[in-house]
Amino acid sequence: EVQVLESGGGSAQPGGSLTLSCGASGFAFSTYAMAWVRQAPGKGLYWVSAISGSGGSTYYTDSVKGRFTISRDGSKNTLYLQMNGLRVEDTAIYYCARCSGTKNRYYFDYWGQGALVTVSS
Amino acid sequence: IVLTQSPGTLSLSPGERATLSCRASQSVSSSSLAWYQQKPGQAPRLLIYGASSRATGIPDRFSGSGSGADFTLTISRLEPEDFAVYYCQQYGSAPNTFGQGTKLEIK
Repeated sequence: EVQVLESGGGSAQPGGSLTLSCGASGFAFSTYAMAWVRQAPGKGLYWVSAISGSGGSTYYTDSVKGRFTISRDGSKNTLYLQMNGLRVEDTAIYYCARCSGTKNRYYFDYWGQGALVTVSS
Repeated sequence: IVLTQSPGTLSLSPGERATLSCRASQSVSSSSLAWYQQKPGQAPRLLIYGASSRATGIPDRFSGSGSGADFTLTISRLEPEDFAVYYCQQYGSAPNTFGQGTKLEIK
């Protein structure tokens, strides 16, 4: 059974940092791209970042470029999102998702339950 | 690509047919359109990809259609568990984008 499970959510002040992790199981982790999708309170879905199966290609939405870093560790079947320079508008539930597709043209076939990130002073 | 879903809210009764629309600001390449269902407090669930292919385990009362810039999700006969928010997503052009959602509520 495919499973992805996020951890590491919490609170931070504006300008602060947090790191999210996502453990994966039930599939060949290194052969799938992975992504982070966020949902602000009461709002819709918004793609944040993606990484190829090998980790060699990374993609970001414009609003997080230079602040967020996506990475993966195939030996641990784990996906990460390092978030620096956090802003109030980054407050959201962050979902880890397995991707299908190619070269940042992805849809998301399995989702974790989400990790809440709250940025406030 | 901007996706506009309509209606914003759809009020129907169990057993009725639901038709949800997703219109793109430009043609979606290769019918690269997906639909997701999200219930309160839960993660989204993939229903449809490639505009018309059902994801694993999705009942056949869910069907997707369309091409170019106009797409439709149809639920042939609503079950109580189908009342939720539905999102479309295009992945034909980077960056992929989501619609704002249609809330399907019990009438």
